[in-house]
Amino acid sequence: DSGVTQTPKHLITATGQRVTLRCSPRSGDLSVYWYQQSLDQGLQFLIQYYNGEERAKGNILERFSAQQFPDLHSELNLSSLELGDSALYFCASSQGQGAFEQFFGPGTRLTVL
Amino acid sequence: ILNVEQSPQSLHVQEGDSTNFTCSFPSSNFYALHWYRWETAKSPEALFVMTLNGDEKKKGRISATLNTKEGYSYLYIKGSQPEDSATYLCAFPRNNAGNMLTFGGGTRLMVKP
Repeated sequence: DSGVTQTPKHLITATGQRVTLRCSPRSGDLSVYWYQQSLDQGLQFLIQYYNGEERAKGNILERFSAQQFPDLHSELNLSSLELGDSALYFCASSQGQGAFEQFFGPGTRLTVL
Repeated sequence: ILNVEQSPQSLHVQEGDSTNFTCSFPSSNFYALHWYRWETAKSPEALFVMTLNGDEKKKGRISATLNTKEGYSYLYIKGSQPEDSATYLCAFPRNNAGNMLTFGGGTRLMVKP
């Protein structure tokens, strides 16, 4: 158990809908990262927050947004969902940013029908 | 495009064999190199974060070396056990802050009893 929690574990929804994925980092970790793992792709970095501020943005679609709250938990919002958004979404946390180990949560499996 | 290459893609060994695999990354603007272990149906688990040329890190039977000048890292597993069966990922930051990781495709290791 990495200490990072993610909810829900599984999510099944329809095209065009909007969902919110939630992540609670390990106690004491200030950085939260979001990753997407699709069937035909490796782990893709989406976005990172540090102590409530967005610090890095990767291959994140405009339909997706995220935020980190004062209690350091983070949410990833996915809207106007398409079939291709079906993937495993991981959240990870680390103490700082940069050369720190990242601790991954169990992931949320999103299926868009 | 930042290329992080891992070889081989997959590896089958017998229990007790020692094995190693490679991660290649751009040698310019080096920041850090991460290794993760990812078991099926679980989430990635941090093994090492390496920052210095010539660095060698060890965790039990697993060790890693780093050559930043030529852009490669080796991961070694001594006396492989069936529980070592997993995908081993390396990741290289694509920015100077070190927080946007690009993952390689991984080496899938299968250890036969």
